[in-house]
Amino acid sequence: EAQVTQNPRYLITVTGKKLTVTCSQNMNHEYMSWYRQDPGLGLRQIYYSMNVEVTDKGDVPEGYKVSRKEKRNFPLILESPSPNQTSLYFCASSPRQGAYEQYFGPGTRLTVT
Amino acid sequence: GNSVTQMEGPVTLSEEAFLTINCTYTATGYPSLFWYVQYPGEGLQLLLKATKADDKGSNKGFEATYRKETTSFHLEKGSVQVSDSAVYFCAPPSAGRRALTFGSGTRLQVQP
Repeated sequence: EAQVTQNPRYLITVTGKKLTVTCSQNMNHEYMSWYRQDPGLGLRQIYYSMNVEVTDKGDVPEGYKVSRKEKRNFPLILESPSPNQTSLYFCASSPRQGAYEQYFGPGTRLTVT
Repeated sequence: GNSVTQMEGPVTLSEEAFLTINCTYTATGYPSLFWYVQYPGEGLQLLLKATKADDKGSNKGFEATYRKETTSFHLEKGSVQVSDSAVYFCAPPSAGRRALTFGSGTRLQVQP
């Protein structure tokens, strides 16, 4: 089954404790992206990747890091989480960069206390 | 940059009522347009799309027509069901068509 998976689905952590949210897709897509969803603000793009070893900032990249060492994986790293990063995070993939159909993961709800 | 304007929710309807969720956008040229749906506790799923002006996208009884004259892509359904309760996102391209733009969405609540 074609899908985007994320882990963990739920995470509660404390300020400053490094964490990684994993994302994997099995559709051989070149383009992958991370979004955060907050009430009243919709989805905002954090980082995206056009292919292996190619990443770039989205609209709200501060406080986040990403890497793309393999085509299928695109982890999101929070080196020192803060409470304002409490949010619902989605990973998405697409066959190529641009305004094309995107496939979303189930989401990761992160709470930073 | 490009932007999208959707009607604010929640929209509350009775079962079998007619649904319209308005969407207008700004974009250069005539890009592909998308509607996504997010059911409770899930990620976004593509609902329908239109790839060129005057195209009509349809799926699961939902329809949307790409109106280039009014830069609109309104979502409609003739008879909603309780299972249609979800958040709906209109998604035109972002500036430079680097990605899609997702607004805050419109929450639909259908009552039996």
